[in-house]
Amino acid sequence: KAGVTQTPRYLIKTRGQQVTLSCSPISGHRSVSWYQQTPGQGLQFLFEYFSETQRNKGNFPGRFSGRQFSNSRSEMNVSTLELGDSALYLCASSPLEDYGYTFGSGTRLTVV
Amino acid sequence: GESVGLHLPTLSVQEGDNSIINCAYSNSASDYFIWYKQESGKGPQFIIDIRSNMDKRQGQRVTVLLNKTVKHLSLQIAATQPGDSAVYFCAEGVTGANSKLTFGKGITLSVRP
Repeated sequence: KAGVTQTPRYLIKTRGQQVTLSCSPISGHRSVSWYQQTPGQGLQFLFEYFSETQRNKGNFPGRFSGRQFSNSRSEMNVSTLELGDSALYLCASSPLEDYGYTFGSGTRLTVV
Repeated sequence: GESVGLHLPTLSVQEGDNSIINCAYSNSASDYFIWYKQESGKGPQFIIDIRSNMDKRQGQRVTVLLNKTVKHLSLQIAATQPGDSAVYFCAEGVTGANSKLTFGKGITLSVRP
């Protein structure tokens, strides 16, 4: 059974650009969550989608957005990139709400 | 505000010894807790979880203890092995439409051969 797949693994962008990250959940999982991981702030919740609906959103500016497709695949977008957006972005999926989250290996975003 | 914290940033143990990693949480509404292990270059890997209606749960070489009175969670690893070296996170959540995990800062476990 394939795990959570995130693409790309590494990304380098320039300040002011925008970026789209992709996440394919485990087959059958309908809940997809996104987290930002930095050395200073640790793992911070961005948002969660279930059946194409955003159910919860963390304390991030509106530059961070996401969506989920009918096949449960999810994308997150960051517009007008800032240096502080450099981080490991992790996606996690779950068959049901609230527990059993399986994480992908993440996308390492570097903003220069 | 809500927070999940770890008492120690690093823990060094001898191979074969038992390891105990502690975690404090502050949201009394949290009703499930998860321990994750993260190795370099990888995402967090689920180790074990526990619901608030339990105070102990055992897995393979791991035991999680939950003390709701003092809002304390611990992960015990028996016969620690070099492959256990990683960063460990505790996380808490609230059942319902919240669907959000709050993570602690992480503690590095280093196993001495």
